[in-house]
Amino acid sequence: NAGVTQTPKFRVLKTGQSMTLLCAQDMNHEYMYWYRQDPGMGLRLIHYSVGEGTTAKGEVPDGYNVSRLKKQNFLLGLESAAPSQTSVYFCASSYPPGLPLDTQYFGPGTRLTVL
Amino acid sequence: ELKVEQNPLFLSMQEGKNYTIYCNYSTTSDRLYWYRQDPGKSLESLFVLLSNGAVKQEGRLMASLDTKARLSTLHITAAVHDLSATYFCAVALNSNSGYALNFGKGTSLLVTP
Repeated sequence: NAGVTQTPKFRVLKTGQSMTLLCAQDMNHEYMYWYRQDPGMGLRLIHYSVGEGTTAKGEVPDGYNVSRLKKQNFLLGLESAAPSQTSVYFCASSYPPGLPLDTQYFGPGTRLTVL
Repeated sequence: ELKVEQNPLFLSMQEGKNYTIYCNYSTTSDRLYWYRQDPGKSLESLFVLLSNGAVKQEGRLMASLDTKARLSTLHITAAVHDLSATYFCAVALNSNSGYALNFGKGTSLLVTP
């Protein structure tokens, strides 16, 4: 099993450009999450999904959109990138709480720089 | 709003010494997680603590949870260099937020000879 994978691993954008980050998991997890990590800030939740076709906003959703058309994929879009979106983006997935292996599994991260 | 505070944020310790990292959180939750992150890497799950009084141990690390005090500790015994990393505690939000995790800022641990 590949676990949680993210594409791309690195990206440099210019202000105003758009891009999509792809997260894929092969563990048949219902729940998926997008976090961003900034120095000294820990990880902060951007958006999450509790199942195929459903998404919801997290703590810092502004400037991002998401889609979950397939259970195994969770896409994060930046329509008009800004320098404040320079960060490392992590995708995570999990079973619903209460099931065995109750933890979130994280992807390798995408390092995004917006100039 | 759920706040998670870790201390210390930076820790330099000698090999062979013991130390404890503290994680306080502001509202009721019975799901607390500890993760490890090496520089430039992803997060690796260390412990899942799901009830008051839960204690888990793996090698030189032991984690505990006191839900009444809203406190978790990560105790390091006889530290070795390989434990150098950043350690995060995270508390699960409720079902209204998809059980997403609210992270502390992390404790950067450096173990020196």
